[in-house]
Amino acid sequence: GAVVSQHPSWVICKSGTSVKIECRSLDFQATTMFWYRQFPKQSLMLMATSNEGSKATYEQGVEKDKFLINHASLTLSTLTVTSAHPEDSSFYICSASPTWGAQETQYFGPGTRLLVL
Amino acid sequence: AQTVTQSQPEMSVQEAETVTLSCTYDTSESDYYLFWYKQPPSRQMILVIRQEAYKQQNATENRFSVNFQKAAKSFSLKISDSQLGDAAMYFCAYRETSGSRLTFGEGTQLTVNP
Repeated sequence: GAVVSQHPSWVICKSGTSVKIECRSLDFQATTMFWYRQFPKQSLMLMATSNEGSKATYEQGVEKDKFLINHASLTLSTLTVTSAHPEDSSFYICSASPTWGAQETQYFGPGTRLLVL
Repeated sequence: AQTVTQSQPEMSVQEAETVTLSCTYDTSESDYYLFWYKQPPSRQMILVIRQEAYKQQNATENRFSVNFQKAAKSFSLKISDSQLGDAAMYFCAYRETSGSRLTFGEGTQLTVNP
């Protein structure tokens, strides 16, 4: 149980284009989902917290107009990197906390590798 | 602000041996949650074990156990009978009871030698 999927797992795009990453909780409902960014050999950096049906809360220094987050349902959150540039290349990971049960636990997706050329 | 410190950037262990990974944290809260996550080369974050601060009993999951010392704000992970598949980056994480975000440590890269 507590499986989270991400799609796509790998994406290469040209500079200036937008990329959408989907995060789904497959066997549980998640009121809260999280988006992280991770650089090689480093820890996870929280970008934003999203709650179903409301606006996401962004961490300091994260451009909300560049990283658009939508949490339209209890099982789906999306991250759109708008006008991507090479410096946006990174590993993006989502996580979700169950609405019921182990609400304190975050279950993670497998991540999405983004390469902007 | 809460901080989580993992003082061992790298650790190694022989297969079938036992290894302990250290984690300390700083908080003024009395109730919170602590986690150990494993990130193998696939980079999928996997929950290893979870501890609730109000519980005095140390959490155990098969070969994985923790030594939770609340007064010392220490939360170490012991891996018994280490296996090659245990090789990964291990992250310690803290969460307030009232909040939702996790605060992660810097991670410890564990190598398991055959």
